[in-house]
Amino acid sequence: QSALTQPASVSGSPGQSITISCTGTSSDVGSYNLVSWYQQHPGKAPKLMIYEVSRRPSGISNRFSGSKSGNTASLTISGLQADDEADYYCCSYVHSNTFAYVFGTGTKVTVL
Amino acid sequence: EVQLLESGGGLVQPGGSLRLSCAASGFTFTSYAMTWVRQAPGKGLEWVSSISGSGGSTYYTDSVKGRFTISRDNSKNTLYLQMNSLRADDTAVYYCAKGDSGYEIRPDMAMDVWGQGTTVTVSS
Repeated sequence: QSALTQPASVSGSPGQSITISCTGTSSDVGSYNLVSWYQQHPGKAPKLMIYEVSRRPSGISNRFSGSKSGNTASLTISGLQADDEADYYCCSYVHSNTFAYVFGTGTKVTVL
Repeated sequence: EVQLLESGGGLVQPGGSLRLSCAASGFTFTSYAMTWVRQAPGKGLEWVSSISGSGGSTYYTDSVKGRFTISRDNSKNTLYLQMNSLRADDTAVYYCAKGDSGYEIRPDMAMDVWGQGTTVTVSS
């Protein structure tokens, strides 16, 4: 199972909006609305930011939003803040004859 | 407070074995599926294995099938990962994570609580 494709890096200035893409196939991202997004600061554990494409867990800022079109999911961070600087990973359920997940390649977000 | 605490990592020679543990607290452990995710040095996240709340259903990524075994002891609120025939490319930080969709392993399961990770190094 190949990793989902994300841009290696995205940057923006404080207050701006950025969007991270996550491209898969009709067997994963395109199959269901089951994409989640995780934030990981250096040396720390990942943190769930978005699940089921666009739903936010309790406590996650509404500056984080998700969407999907076809085989590509997207995470948008609006009102960029210094603490948003981190790695971001998408994750999708894989439609196959067994249960599996696939993560994206990861995107480093830099706040300029 | 919901917490997961991994242990058992270390340095092991190629072909060796290691058992990771993940102690859970702050939630009804048996009511949730659990997952192991790993991250090789400088690399991205990789799903390794998931287990249902009862332990009756287990799934693995292809690269560890036949070598790794996920299990749980609900009386001890502990998740395990038995790793045999270890290879250099198994070197990674291993995280345990709680599923958010109940005791079954479901496609809509996301990982809503993560441990701090334990480091496994496979080298001679």
